[in-house]
Amino acid sequence: QVQLQESGPGLVKPSETLSLTCTVSGGSVSSGSNYWSWIRQPPGKGLEWIGYIYYSGNTNTNPSLKSRVTISVDTSKNQFSLQLSSVTAADTAVYYCARDIIGSGWYGLYFDYWGRGTLVTVSS
Amino acid sequence: EIVLTQSPGTLSLSPGERATLSCRASQSVSSSYLAWYQQKPGQPPRLLIYGASSRATGIPDRFSGSGSGTDFTLTISRLEPEDFAVYYCQQYGSSPPRTFGQGTRLDIK
Repeated sequence: QVQLQESGPGLVKPSETLSLTCTVSGGSVSSGSNYWSWIRQPPGKGLEWIGYIYYSGNTNTNPSLKSRVTISVDTSKNQFSLQLSSVTAADTAVYYCARDIIGSGWYGLYFDYWGRGTLVTVSS
Repeated sequence: EIVLTQSPGTLSLSPGERATLSCRASQSVSSSYLAWYQQKPGQPPRLLIYGASSRATGIPDRFSGSGSGTDFTLTISRLEPEDFAVYYCQQYGSSPPRTFGQGTRLDIK
């Protein structure tokens, strides 16, 4: 059974950089069949896909966040990470990491395993 | 970007009843690349349906998905107490970025 666990600070100051790590167990980030994604959900609101990474280091991010997002992978630790720069209160959300199924054409498809999520609050 | 609009916003039904949830896309979703998720309070979303109509592993057969193009439906044939939750649709495929609907809340009447 694949399990994902997010970790990182729960409070970040405005204009600073949010940094989260997702640790994968029961599966491998080096799997050629999966991307590894970050998704967020502001309190009481819907879901927004942030971006994904492949074990090779290739990434794809949501254009709405692209200039502020960095996603990296550490295959030796079976982890992948998110950095979101210049945060504001609008970035307050529960951040989820998830396993992403790759389809033909190398498009990301749907998310079959999710972490429990971690709430990140942006406040001074 | 494809915008997904779910209706109704809230659906109030009783256990044993049939639930029909709608997801409409602002443009055609290629190859029926649509998924449905269930989310309960304090939990991550759980994949129910992918490819518009294929049930994910372990999902009871009272959940079914249908539709194509711009109109998709999630049907729960006989509601169980554990089915009351928020449901999201999500599109994927050749029109990045992937987007989610705003959700339908299924409440106990």
